[in-house]
Amino acid sequence: AQSVSQHNHHVILSEAASLELGCNYSYGGTVNLFWYVQYPGQHLQLLLKYFSGDPLVKGIKGFEAEFIKSKFSFNLRKPSVQWSDTAEYFCAVKSDSNYQLIWGAGTKLIIKP
Amino acid sequence: SAVISQKPSRDICQRGTSLTIQCQVDSQVTMMFWYRQQPGQSLTLIATANQGSEATYESGFVIDKFPISRPNLTFSTLTVSNMSPEDSSIYLCSVGGNEQFFGPGTRLTVL
Repeated sequence: AQSVSQHNHHVILSEAASLELGCNYSYGGTVNLFWYVQYPGQHLQLLLKYFSGDPLVKGIKGFEAEFIKSKFSFNLRKPSVQWSDTAEYFCAVKSDSNYQLIWGAGTKLIIKP
Repeated sequence: SAVISQKPSRDICQRGTSLTIQCQVDSQVTMMFWYRQQPGQSLTLIATANQGSEATYESGFVIDKFPISRPNLTFSTLTVSNMSPEDSSIYLCSVGGNEQFFGPGTRLTVL
């Protein structure tokens, strides 16, 4: 069965620090990969996605993620975080052959001003 | 992207009662999904609701407990039946195929 693992449940950083949130999945076939963000009191929003092509994808608000097929990973990065990045971040994976999203457990990110 | 609204946004219910959650989309969509997000946990798909056919339930979820209606291409309801405190959760609807868009969620507390 497919699964998604997010390595850190809670991350606390200071403003301007660099961020990397890990995401690994288990599925041998072609996948679509997503990072969603949920700001306090708001909807889940799509941050970025990978379907095919350049494995380095850029999303909104300066976030990027790199798909490394050999490592089954899709880590989220941002070079310099801001207080407004405080949110919960979810990695999700969908196989190419169906619609079901498999979700990681989420990472709560707190940025100290 | 689609704009999705849910009603109610939150509710507190007594054990043994039922609650129906509504999901309205601002455009016609083929696939609608219902998720549960239990406290401190990730999202779990309950079922997929396609217009004109029975909902497809994921393992661990049954129609008697979570009946779903999908009367048209912009609307769906999820009922949480015979509730217990274990049903306390956030219930989310989403739409989309390759990319999913989410409603604001319904926060349910069962006493």
